[in-house]
Amino acid sequence: RKEVEQDPGPFNVPEGATVAFNCTYSNSASQSFFWYRQDCRKEPKLLMSVYSSGNEDGRFTAQLNRASQYISLLIRDSKLSDSATYLCAVNSGNTPLVFGKGTRLSVIA
Amino acid sequence: DAGVTQSPTHLIKTRGQQVTLRCSPKSGHDTVSWYQQALGQGPQFIFQYYEEEERQRGNFPDRFSGHQFPNYSSELNVNALLLGDSALYLCASSTTMDYNEQFFGPGTRLTVL
Repeated sequence: RKEVEQDPGPFNVPEGATVAFNCTYSNSASQSFFWYRQDCRKEPKLLMSVYSSGNEDGRFTAQLNRASQYISLLIRDSKLSDSATYLCAVNSGNTPLVFGKGTRLSVIA
Repeated sequence: DAGVTQSPTHLIKTRGQQVTLRCSPKSGHDTVSWYQQALGQGPQFIFQYYEEEERQRGNFPDRFSGHQFPNYSSELNVNALLLGDSALYLCASSTTMDYNEQFFGPGTRLTVL
């Protein structure tokens, strides 16, 4: 089983839709969780960290489920500009980030 | 405030050649990590440099080596290039080995023919 797994998509959704991605991780000792956004042929950029209690940033909500070992990202009111690949990343203590392969989102007008 | 910079942006090499990629960290950062991102994959950790030493290393062969200079900039060297080394090479900088606050550079796209 891969350490971090994501559905590669693509998720094709209309503008204004709500879309959710999940990311599962296998290492139960994982402590830190992140969502990155990566535009085509660009570098990953940190979208948000994921906290145990869940956190929200505008239209974006991230949640952590330690019991089932997954994190989720919810995007409400999708915009065309949300089209990108969303990477989840996890680490345990001061260890390197382990990334998933990413989930591709296309928001269609 | 300059972010992370990398050079060159693109590079084409042939099998068996050697390549050197360069990275300058974000101002105030002293730690540089290198990642390889193949097409359709997430970034994979190669190694991290702090205080001019390799501190942690991922599952990459010895053909991949690096260096960090006193000004915190870093180089990634790959010897005996293989077709499978074609990828986007990303540099990420942070303070004091902190993986949780990394900033990525734009990357160098390496094509091995």
